[in-house]
Amino acid sequence: DVKVTQSSRYLVKRTGEKVFLECVQDMDHENMFWYRQDPGLGLRLIYFSYDVKMKEKGDIPEGYSVSREKKERFSLILESASTNQTSMYLCASSQDGGRSYNEQFFGPGTRLTVL
Amino acid sequence: QKEVEQDPGPLSVPEGAIVSLNCTYSNSAFQYFMWYRQYSRKGPELLMYTYSSGNKEDGRFTAQVDKSSKYISLFIRDSQPSDSATYLCAMNTGRRALTFGSGTRLQVQP
Repeated sequence: DVKVTQSSRYLVKRTGEKVFLECVQDMDHENMFWYRQDPGLGLRLIYFSYDVKMKEKGDIPEGYSVSREKKERFSLILESASTNQTSMYLCASSQDGGRSYNEQFFGPGTRLTVL
Repeated sequence: QKEVEQDPGPLSVPEGAIVSLNCTYSNSAFQYFMWYRQYSRKGPELLMYTYSSGNKEDGRFTAQVDKSSKYISLFIRDSQPSDSATYLCAMNTGRRALTFGSGTRLQVQP
């Protein structure tokens, strides 16, 4: 069974704090993704990584950075949290199957509140 | 304009009803079309995928793609309370990243 785990289910931080969200997958997948999910806006891609130390910007990378030092672990960093980053954050992973539908497997999400 | 448009609902139906969920899209390069189901407080899970145009059936679920109209549908027959969830359409060109719709919340009343 594919498992994607996220470090916290709920997180409350203050404006200006540095926030780390961690994601770990156990299926040796090449690709890992970070999304945020907001009502009415659906899932929006923040960043993804297709290999260790490689990353690509998604649709909304501003205010975020990522780190992938090991294949199984992908971290999302909010350098200076702001209230508009209050959201549900979802991590996903997929195997690199060439040109394919590339099924993504999701973690349970981290609900981040920035006060 | 968003690349993928999906009515957010909520959609409320009685148990046993046929449910139709839809998405429209603007990027003609999309080739793979997927439906993910997301239960409350969980991450999305892949329900079905279709390559290019046509229909695909899996039990009570049928996915339909009309590339000429840039329109995809998911039909649920004999809907059950356990089908209550948010349904997200997703699509890609065969590359790694998916583009998601905003999701339709479905409530099946017993």
